[in-house]
Amino acid sequence: EVKLLESGGGLVQPGGSLRLSCAASGFTFTDFYMSWIRQPPGKAPEWLGVIRNKANGYTTEYNPSVKGRFTISRDNTQNILYLQMNTLRAEDTAIYYCARWMYTTGVFDYWGQGVMVTVSS
Amino acid sequence: DVVMTQTPVSLSVSLGGQVSISCRSSQSLVHNNGNTYLSWYLQKPGQSPQLLIYKVSNRFSGISDRFSGSGSGTDFTLKISRVEPDDLGVYYCGQGTQYPLTFGSGTKLEIK
Repeated sequence: EVKLLESGGGLVQPGGSLRLSCAASGFTFTDFYMSWIRQPPGKAPEWLGVIRNKANGYTTEYNPSVKGRFTISRDNTQNILYLQMNTLRAEDTAIYYCARWMYTTGVFDYWGQGVMVTVSS
Repeated sequence: DVVMTQTPVSLSVSLGGQVSISCRSSQSLVHNNGNTYLSWYLQKPGQSPQLLIYKVSNRFSGISDRFSGSGSGTDFTLKISRVEPDDLGVYYCGQGTQYPLTFGSGTKLEIK
């Protein structure tokens, strides 16, 4: 069974940093692209970025809205996906999801339960 | 960026009824490889989005045949027939053809 479990959310002050983790299980982690998606309360999801699989060199793509502030990485020995977020702003307040990205079908086929990040003083 | 426009914003349907949700993209979603990466998701209250349909009309594993997708190019539709109580939530279309990946603004389905 595919499982994705995010952690690391919480309250952070504007200008601060936070690192989210996503523990993956139930599939061969290195075979899959992985993404981060966020959803402000009551709004639509927003894709943040993707990190490719081993066959594609673990390269990354980002949404221009967060490029330069957010960094996606992965620990392929522990099957963990990371999202490093810097220079946080109030508008970064959202539920953050990790999701498995199937580039062959263009979909997020499995999502984690999400973790809340609140940026406020 | 590809902008995904969904209509209506919300709709109310009786149990057993049928509904259609429209999704239009600002650019063609036909990829260079000939595939059209348009998908549909349902977010039930308090849950993460779940995949319903991929590549316009293909149902994901375990999804009821009451859900069907159609369309091409920039114009797509999700139909739900014989609506059940468990169908309530917000439906999103999404495109996977080009980066940045984008979602529609959502259609909220309520049961009368």
